[in-house]
Amino acid sequence: QKEVEQDPGPLSVPEGAIVSLNCTYSNSAFQYFMWYRQYSRKGPELLMYTYSSGNKEDGRFTAQVDKSSKYISLFIRDSQPSDSATYLCAMSALTGTASKLTFGTGTRLQVTL
Amino acid sequence: SQTIHQWPATLVQPVGSPLSLECTVEGTSNPNLYWYRQAAGRGLQLLFYSVGIGQISSEVPQNLSASRPQDRQFILSSKKLLLSDSGFYLCAWSGRAGPSSYEQYFGPGTRLTVT
Repeated sequence: QKEVEQDPGPLSVPEGAIVSLNCTYSNSAFQYFMWYRQYSRKGPELLMYTYSSGNKEDGRFTAQVDKSSKYISLFIRDSQPSDSATYLCAMSALTGTASKLTFGTGTRLQVTL
Repeated sequence: SQTIHQWPATLVQPVGSPLSLECTVEGTSNPNLYWYRQAAGRGLQLLFYSVGIGQISSEVPQNLSASRPQDRQFILSSKKLLLSDSGFYLCAWSGRAGPSSYEQYFGPGTRLTVT
């Protein structure tokens, strides 16, 4: 079993829809949770960063962490064609001075006009 | 603001040839530096990380090596490439300690094809 599971998609939604992207994980030591957006043939871009459980909102994006269920989500409101990309979840346990991120394989999102 | 550079952007190399990929960071001091490889459908795999000049930790045993000759320079090398070394290589940086060490920022990547 992988430490982090993420549905690869593709997920296709119409413009303006609310998108829900999810990851599950098995390592209870994970404390830091990140979402990255990656456009085709580009490096990943850090979107959201959350520590422990709870919600964090930034514009149209909301990150949610439920440590009791080992489940994290990213919600995108009023989705736009420019949101079409692969979304990667990542998480880390405390490991001294360097953080080792464990990534999901990514969910490909397509927002259609 | 901080900027991370990688070169070359694309590379096609024959099996058995050497490799050198370079990564430099601007606008920050004493960063942690990371090398990842991304293969199709397999997510990002951490290859090496460094917390300082000359300090390299290897995550996956293979024919690759890394070096950090300067504070903001990270190099990925191989003496003899294998077909399985093909992939998208990404360099990342983070802060040295505390919460900033968990926010990793990625470069544009190098797409390597071994033929």
